[in-house]
Amino acid sequence: GQQVMQIPQYQHVQEGEDFTTYCNSSTTLSNIQWYKQRPGGHPVFLIQLVKSGEVKKQKRLTFQFGEAKKNSSLHITATQTTDVGTYFCAGRTGTYKYIFGTGTRLKVLA
Amino acid sequence: EPEVTQTPSHQVTQMGQEVILRCVPISNHLYFYWYRQILGQKVEFLVSFYNNEISEKSEIFDDQFSVERPDGSNFTLKIRSTKLEDSAMYFCASSEGGYMNTEAFFGQGTRLTVV
Repeated sequence: GQQVMQIPQYQHVQEGEDFTTYCNSSTTLSNIQWYKQRPGGHPVFLIQLVKSGEVKKQKRLTFQFGEAKKNSSLHITATQTTDVGTYFCAGRTGTYKYIFGTGTRLKVLA
Repeated sequence: EPEVTQTPSHQVTQMGQEVILRCVPISNHLYFYWYRQILGQKVEFLVSFYNNEISEKSEIFDDQFSVERPDGSNFTLKIRSTKLEDSAMYFCASSEGGYMNTEAFFGQGTRLTVV
């Protein structure tokens, strides 16, 4: 079946270091969304990317959608302790069906 | 700020029993979803619902599962005969709708424990 994988599974960084998570789909996606889930919390929508090669920025976060619409990345510049959580990509594979990636758990050490 | 609310926050049930998880989506949203997350794992799509019918469902959403919008505000997930492997956090989500407006707002979740 359709799979969306993320790497790395875990990442520990020192506060101030950069962080990147990569999302790869086995099939072409209509669009991709990114969510953040704090420990013990629920997924919170961050952004949606639709166009091939699209790049969007939100303050220290940069999101990119691959040219083939099968991969995406999230880059955080100068991490802060508030960035702690698990970051999930979610690829749209149907009209209203999203397949979540395996997630990358980020830990930021002060 | 409008939010999706779910009740109960935690449900413990005996294996084989039926459970109903309840959700109140954001009032002007048209599309509703159920996801589940087994502890420490990824979020898994169960079903999407629009215009009083299922739009799409995953392989997980078998005959043991059903969804309903019994009135204008509630959206429920029923598991007919729970199994141990149904233990998970169940998230309800809603979105405004339209092909581009699919940002999903998640509720706080119901933790289901089957014993």
